[in-house]
Amino acid sequence: KNQVEQSPQSLIILEGKNCTLQCNYTVSPFSNLRWYKQDTGRGPVSLTIMTFSENTKSNGRYTATLDADTKQSSLHITASQLSDSASYICVVSQNTGFQKLVFGTGTRLLVSP
Amino acid sequence: EPEVTQTPSHQVTQMGQEVILRCVPISNHLYFYWYRQILGQKVEFLVSFYNNEISEKSEIFDDQFSVERPDGSNFTLKIRSTKLEDSAMYFCASISGGTKGYTFGSGTRLTVV
Repeated sequence: KNQVEQSPQSLIILEGKNCTLQCNYTVSPFSNLRWYKQDTGRGPVSLTIMTFSENTKSNGRYTATLDADTKQSSLHITASQLSDSASYICVVSQNTGFQKLVFGTGTRLLVSP
Repeated sequence: EPEVTQTPSHQVTQMGQEVILRCVPISNHLYFYWYRQILGQKVEFLVSFYNNEISEKSEIFDDQFSVERPDGSNFTLKIRSTKLEDSAMYFCASISGGTKGYTFGSGTRLTVV
C-alpha cells in the first residue's frame, strides 16, 4: 500500500533553535519527494522537490535530504522563526503518468518565543 | 508569481444540496487536480484531469462527484447531493507537466450541515 509516514506528529521548539522532521515512504513507482509547508486553513506551499538522484536540497533555512535506498527523507529547519509555526507535510509523487501526490499526515511545528 | 485561484473560500450548504467548487488553474498548465482534507486528517487525492477528461480518480470520487472544464479556464468540482462527511477543505492544483511545478490553490472550506 502506498503510504507516507511522518514523525514526530507534533513538535514545540524555542525560537532560534534547529529541528529535524522525519519521513518514511512506501510509494511506488516513485517520481519525486516534496516537502510542503501548510498554514492553518491554507493550501500547501512547496519548500523543496527532490528526484531519485538528489540527496540534498536547500531552500533558505530549509534543507531536505533523501535516501532513496531506505526510502527516508528529512527536513531540517535552521534558526527557527515564529513564522515557521505550521504543518510540514512530506509528499511523494507517484509516477503513474499524471503525477499523483501521496501525502503524509504532517508534523505540526510550533515555534515559541 | 502565477496562482491557482479558488472560489468561494468558504461554502456552507445543507445536506442533500448540490455544490460547485470553482478553480482557475495557472493559464499554461495542462494537468488539473482536486484534493480534499478533512479537518485534522491528511490531504487525499480525489481526481486528476488532462486533455478534457478524467485521467485518474480515487475511490473517494464516486458517482456523486464530477469535474468539468467548461470554458478552457475554469475547472470545477461538483458534488451532486452533499453528505455530512463531505465537509472538508477542497484544494485545486495544476501543473504544467514534467515532475515539478505543482501549485495548489488556497482551498474552499465546505461545511455541510
